[in-house]
Amino acid sequence: DIVMTQSPDSLAVSLGERASINCKSSQSIFYSSNNNNYLAWYQQKPGQPPKLLISWASTRESGVPERFSGSGSGTDFTLTISSLQAEDVAVYYCHQNYGYPYTFGQGTKLEIK
Amino acid sequence: QITLKESGPTLVKPTQTLTLTCTFSGFSLSTTAVSVGWIRQPPGKPLDWLALIDGTDEKRYSSSQRSRLTITKDTSKNQVVLTMTNMDPVDTATFFCAHRRGVIFDFWGQGILVTVSS
Repeated sequence: DIVMTQSPDSLAVSLGERASINCKSSQSIFYSSNNNNYLAWYQQKPGQPPKLLISWASTRESGVPERFSGSGSGTDFTLTISSLQAEDVAVYYCHQNYGYPYTFGQGTKLEIK
Repeated sequence: QITLKESGPTLVKPTQTLTLTCTFSGFSLSTTAVSVGWIRQPPGKPLDWLALIDGTDEKRYSSSQRSRLTITKDTSKNQVVLTMTNMDPVDTATFFCAHRRGVIFDFWGQGILVTVSS
């Protein structure tokens, strides 16, 4: 199984500041034949299902604010929130859909400092 | 508009079999391009992918739970059913079903909390 490891487990950032969450896969999730990284990022608020923010490591979903961006390739990925807003408080998960079984990171809890 | 909703028992006893139904609308589960998956989340813990079925009836299962899971679909009813045998208190979790577009879970149901207790 591909293990997804996020860091840090929790993060406190001041409003308006940058927040970065890292995700490392135990093997490459880059498929060279189509030049895609099979990595998605989800945001989950209490009592809600996960919300898809970014797919293919860096493609922001429609309606997701531009302050959210994804980067990285191969085994190392980052979700960045450029200017933290109060509504961004949530748990964030990375997810690999490169191979079965699909796996998720352990989550990173983002709070306001 | 794609929607999914999970239904089933919210309380099961240890050793019982859990049967959950995902009823969806806004898409047809009739091609390889679309599938429905099940993901669970124990309270306060991470997401755990369980199973997937596509429009051609191809099925995929979690390595660790494969022996306990069965996923089926009823295209005429727009439903996907997950059964999980031999339930244990550690299986207490919120179970989500989700629409998969290509390889991406883009729409999720609200989830159903299933508690395993005698």
